[in-house]
Amino acid sequence: GENVEQHPSTLSVQEGDSAVIKCTYSDSASNYFPWYKQELGKRPQLIIDIRSNVGEKKDQRIAVTLNKTAKHFSLHITETQPEDSAVYFCAATPYSSASKIIFGSGTRLSIRP
Amino acid sequence: NAGVTQTPKFRILKIGQSMTLQCTQDMNHNYMYWYRQDPGMGLKLIYYSVGAGITDKGEVPNGYNVSRSTTEDFPLRLELAAPSQTSVYFCASNEPPGQYTIYFGEGSWLTVV
Repeated sequence: GENVEQHPSTLSVQEGDSAVIKCTYSDSASNYFPWYKQELGKRPQLIIDIRSNVGEKKDQRIAVTLNKTAKHFSLHITETQPEDSAVYFCAATPYSSASKIIFGSGTRLSIRP
Repeated sequence: NAGVTQTPKFRILKIGQSMTLQCTQDMNHNYMYWYRQDPGMGLKLIYYSVGAGITDKGEVPNGYNVSRSTTEDFPLRLELAAPSQTSVYFCASNEPPGQYTIYFGEGSWLTVV
């Protein structure tokens, strides 16, 4: 069936360094790729998203890249700060069936001081 | 604008008891979802609805039921609670194709003992 694989499951980086989280998806009809951040004990919240007609999108210290040919997309966080510590989920959604949102398994990012 | 509101936030159930998790949204979204998130794990879709009167099973529907009599409300019913249903439950909504962002409620922490 359709799935989204996310790597790594845990990631620890030094404060100020960059962090990269990667996802691959299987449904070639997927056209919308959001990233959610979930702080401990909180709800997931959207931090950035990208659509299939765009290869890269940036918002301050975070960026997402998409390679439709290879069916993978990545989240890049630069100049990491303690408040970036959280679990990050990628997801893929086909425009044709918006209810079929497939989430990755999550990456627990820890920022070392 | 309250967004997605879930009640209760915390509940302890005894094995075999039943209960309903309430969810309401004030964004006039047609699409609504129920997810469960086990400790340290990702989001699993229980049920979803694409509009009033329409519901469908997700990945893990066993032991649950839903109804969607209005656009605003999407209650989740747990029948004959089991320890395996101990989890955090998130209600969510969106309105594709114009609004793909999924808005989550704050979560309901359920423990079955």
